[in-house]
Amino acid sequence: QITLKESGPTLVKPTQTLTLTCTFSGFSLSTHNMGVAWIRQPPGKALEYLAIIYWDDDKLFSPSLKSRLTITKDTSKNQVVLTMTNMDPVDTGTYYCAHRGVTYGLDVWGQGTTVTVSS
Amino acid sequence: QSVLTQPPSVSGAPGQRVTISCTGSSSNIGAGFDVHWYQQLPGRAPKLLIYGNTNRPSGVPDRFSGSKSGTSASLAITGLQAEDEADYYCQSHDSSLDGSGVFGGGTKVTVL
Repeated sequence: QITLKESGPTLVKPTQTLTLTCTFSGFSLSTHNMGVAWIRQPPGKALEYLAIIYWDDDKLFSPSLKSRLTITKDTSKNQVVLTMTNMDPVDTGTYYCAHRGVTYGLDVWGQGTTVTVSS
Repeated sequence: QSVLTQPPSVSGAPGQRVTISCTGSSSNIGAGFDVHWYQQLPGRAPKLLIYGNTNRPSGVPDRFSGSKSGTSASLAITGLQAEDEADYYCQSHDSSLDGSGVFGGGTKVTVL
């Protein structure tokens, strides 16, 4: 059974850097075709695809956020870390990590973690 | 403005059939990237409903079906039930965005 859980601060100040950790179980990110993606959702708004890291360390980023995002994996700890620099109140929302497997869809999601950007 | 365009809302009576369109372009759906669909119940994380344009994960009722043609895709719900009231999102990838994943703007399904 695959599970994922997001963790990180619930409140960050404008201009600070956000660091979120996705801790997962039930699969290995060193296995061919596996990936972990980050998606966010501002309150009352649509989902936004942020980034994904694959088993071979290939990475894709939303072009509009690429300059602010870093994504890394630690296969020994079963963790993926997303950092987003220069946080702004518009970055407030729920941040999800999700598993991308052989279906190529995001087939298992974490529960999400809420991040508020405010001074 | 989402790369993939969905109607903001659709509605139907219990038992009816509703469809949700997802319109893209030659750099995403039309380029051959798969379309996936997600259901998001209020206050919950999204759930994969359809993957690879037409496939249902185990446990998803066969009332849900997906199709793809050209630069568009559709999700159909037949025999609409009260528990289907949710937000639905299509998702693909886009070659003009460095292959990044993209979501539609979401469609609220209301069961009358």
